[in-house]
Amino acid sequence: QKEVEQNSGPLSVPEGAIASLNCTYSDRGSQSFFWYRQYSGKSPELIMFIYSNGDKEDGRFTAQLNKASQYVSLLIRDSQPSDSATYLCAVNRNRDDKIIFGKGTRLHILP
Amino acid sequence: KAGVTQTPRYLIKTRGQQVTLSCSPISGHRSVSWYQQTPGQGLQFLFEYFSETQRNKGNFPGRFSGRQFSNSRSEMNVSTLELGDSALYLCASSWDGTGLADEQFFGPGTRLTVL
Repeated sequence: QKEVEQNSGPLSVPEGAIASLNCTYSDRGSQSFFWYRQYSGKSPELIMFIYSNGDKEDGRFTAQLNKASQYVSLLIRDSQPSDSATYLCAVNRNRDDKIIFGKGTRLHILP
Repeated sequence: KAGVTQTPRYLIKTRGQQVTLSCSPISGHRSVSWYQQTPGQGLQFLFEYFSETQRNKGNFPGRFSGRQFSNSRSEMNVSTLELGDSALYLCASSWDGTGLADEQFFGPGTRLTVL
């Protein structure tokens, strides 16, 4: 099992709809979870981080964490064409404090 | 507040050469991590430096090395370059890189091409 798994996509979502991005992780002791957005040719940009079970909202973005299921997701409400990018899930691996990245999900917002 | 800076932005080298990349973290950040990003493998962790000491290391050969200076600036070196070393090398800084306060902020990257 990969340490951090994401569906590579592309995930196509109509403009104005909700985009749902999912990530699973293998280290049950992980404490910190991050979502990064990476536009083509650019470096990753931190969107959100979450530490506690439940939802965390920031503008149009909501991160959801379920430690029992080892699952973290990112919801993007009112999707815009500018949201089209690759979204990287990152997990702080508890046993050695390394941050492990998934390979990312390509999101395409259809105008 | 200035972000993470990396130099050079682009580099072309030939097989067998060596290369040094530089990273200046956000002011006040003491942890610097290096990643290699390729289309096939995604973002792979190289190493992390904190207070001039390598605190963590990924699964890369010894040709990849790094160091950190007292002002938290970091360099990474790749010796005896191979074609497979062509990648985007990203540097990320954080406050201390541990526990919950370890949000990382990335620099623009150095695009290395090995011919």
